Amino acid sequence: IVLTQSPATLSLSPGERATLSCRASESVNNYLAWYQQKPGQAPRLLMYDASTRATGIPARFSGSGSGTDFTLTISSLEPEDFAVYFCQQRRNWPPLTFGGGTRVEI
Amino acid sequence: QVQLVQSGAALQKPGASVKISCKTSGYTFINYYIHWVRQAPGQGPEWLGMINPNGGSTSSGPKWLGRVTMTRDTATNTVYLEVRGLTSDDTAVYYCASAQGGGDFYLDHWGQGTLVTVS
Repeated sequence: IVLTQSPATLSLSPGERATLSCRASESVNNYLAWYQQKPGQAPRLLMYDASTRATGIPARFSGSGSGTDFTLTISSLEPEDFAVYFCQQRRNWPPLTFGGGTRVEI
Repeated sequence: QVQLVQSGAALQKPGASVKISCKTSGYTFINYYIHWVRQAPGQGPEWLGMINPNGGSTSSGPKWLGRVTMTRDTATNTVYLEVRGLTSDDTAVYYCASAQGGGDFYLDHWGQGTLVTVS
């Protein structure tokens, strides 16, 4: 299953709303996760099963979607949210697959 | 707290093999799968496979069959990844990651990464 993320880069200011998209080449039901990655760090799990926040993730992060179209929304960007975001599916494995990423930049 | 600590950076020649370790602590080792993921510079993550520390069964993506071996040592709570037949395309940061809070296939605890350079 191929995951396509858009846009490749999102240029926003702190306080603005970010909307990131992930589209699957076939249905993954709701078996989709989102990760955040900062330079030099490992990815960090934000959301799983499309809309469940992982432990310790702030409420400004939310996920939605099912089937082939998914969205990660950051309601009001904090300075620490500027990073790269990846989606990942577990519906049809092996392999688990990841998207190519969306960079959220200031 | 949960920790995954990986072995240090490696420089290997084309055709060689590399073996990376991932030592875990802070949780019951046999209870959660460990996955291996790599990331080439500027690219998205790529899944290599997973190991069930309880019994040692493994699963890999079809691309990796015959090239990767994953093992575990329950005495030291450590898992290992070996990649054979290295080429320059294998230059990447390799991560181990544990799937705990979200189920077996969502990776919520990660090692610090091991840079493997093939040159």
